Amino acid sequence: ELKVEQNPLFLSMQEGKNYTIYCNYSTTSDRLYWYRQDPGKSLESLFVLLSNGAVKQEGRLMASLDTKARLSTLHITAAVHDLSATYFCAVAKMNYGGSQGNLIFGKGTKLSVKP
Amino acid sequence: EAGVAQSPRYKIIEKRQSVAFWCNPISGHATLYWYQQILGQGPKLLIQFQNNGVVDDSQLPKDRFSAERLKGVDSTLKIQPAKLEDSAVYLCASRSPRGQRVMSGANVLTFGAGSRLTVL
Repeated sequence: ELKVEQNPLFLSMQEGKNYTIYCNYSTTSDRLYWYRQDPGKSLESLFVLLSNGAVKQEGRLMASLDTKARLSTLHITAAVHDLSATYFCAVAKMNYGGSQGNLIFGKGTKLSVKP
Repeated sequence: EAGVAQSPRYKIIEKRQSVAFWCNPISGHATLYWYQQILGQGPKLLIQFQNNGVVDDSQLPKDRFSAERLKGVDSTLKIQPAKLEDSAVYLCASRSPRGQRVMSGANVLTFGAGSRLTVL
């Protein structure tokens, strides 16, 4: 059974600081997603990581994937208040034949960036 | 392109009543998902459709939940009778056909705004 664990679950940061959110998963998958969710809103796709060593960056966020270690990281550089949200990683179940099944989500990391 | 449409956005019912949620996916998206998100948790899959066929409903409580996607486009999720623990946001998501790239990544699930259910 595919399990996805994120840590930390809660993160309070000061503006301007750097931090990393970790996402570990239990079985083989080569597709990992990061989503952002603002309070009362739906999930917004941030990154899709499709291969070992993949790295993607958007603004102050950078995501990476190590499929051998079954680990993805979301690094926040010089945090600003607008980044306050809950961040989810999700790993795709792979069906027999290689097609993508559904996503298994972590519990989310609630990020609060304070002045 | 238009996003995933869901309605109603909010619903309050008493336990043992019934409720139905509607989802219209992005045009051309063959795969449709219903997820349940309980407050403070990550979304959990209830059911996945490929066109009008069910791919995965292993986590759907079939004694009270049902879902259909009759023409392979819109979908309806029904709960009857509702329990207190069904209070959650019900998210519909759709995904492009295999191999078709959407924006910056392949096979991205796009979520609707969700339907928030409160069972009293």
